[in-house]
Amino acid sequence: GAVVSQHPSWVICKSGTSVKIECRSLDFQATTMFWYRQFPKQSLMLMATSNEGSKATYEQGVEKDKFLINHASLTLSTLTVTSAHPEDSSFYICSARGDGGSYEQYFGPGTRLTVT
Amino acid sequence: QKEVEQNSGPLSVPEGAIASLNCTYSDRGSQSFFWYRQYSGKSPELIMSIYSNGDKEDGRFTAQLNKASQYVSLLIRDSQPSDSATYLCAVNLQGGSEKLVFGKGMKLTVNP
Repeated sequence: GAVVSQHPSWVICKSGTSVKIECRSLDFQATTMFWYRQFPKQSLMLMATSNEGSKATYEQGVEKDKFLINHASLTLSTLTVTSAHPEDSSFYICSARGDGGSYEQYFGPGTRLTVT
Repeated sequence: QKEVEQNSGPLSVPEGAIASLNCTYSDRGSQSFFWYRQYSGKSPELIMSIYSNGDKEDGRFTAQLNKASQYVSLLIRDSQPSDSATYLCAVNLQGGSEKLVFGKGMKLTVNP
């Protein structure tokens, strides 16, 4: 149980274009999902907390107009990187909070974004 | 600033040995503690959660929690080369936030 998927697993895009990443909880309902970014050899950095049916809460320093998050259902959250630039190249990972009342987070496999 | 700190590492142990990973946290009111394993190039995987003082065992893994000392550890018995990964300590802060605060991780290498 507690499986989270992400799509795509990797994507290459040109500078100035937008990329959408999907995060799905496959066998449970996730009222809360999280989006992280991780640069090589660095720790996870929380970008935003996504709650179903409401606006995402962004961490300090994360541009909400650049990283658009939508959590339209209990099993799907999306992250859109708008007007991507090479410095946005990173490993983007979503997680979902389990539905058993605990604070455990289950991570998706991640999406590796390369902006050329 | 609420912090979670892990030993800087890296840690190298021979196959079959016990690997000990440590973590301290600054928020005395924290109630939920987690250990994640992250293989290179992959996303984190939850391996242990602990909520009460004492030990919690799951196979070769034992999590230990001491809230008075604000300390949580992970022991890996009979370490295998497949245990080589970065181990992340994560803490849920008090106050109702759903966020987890992660340590920077400790890279473990198990040598055959």
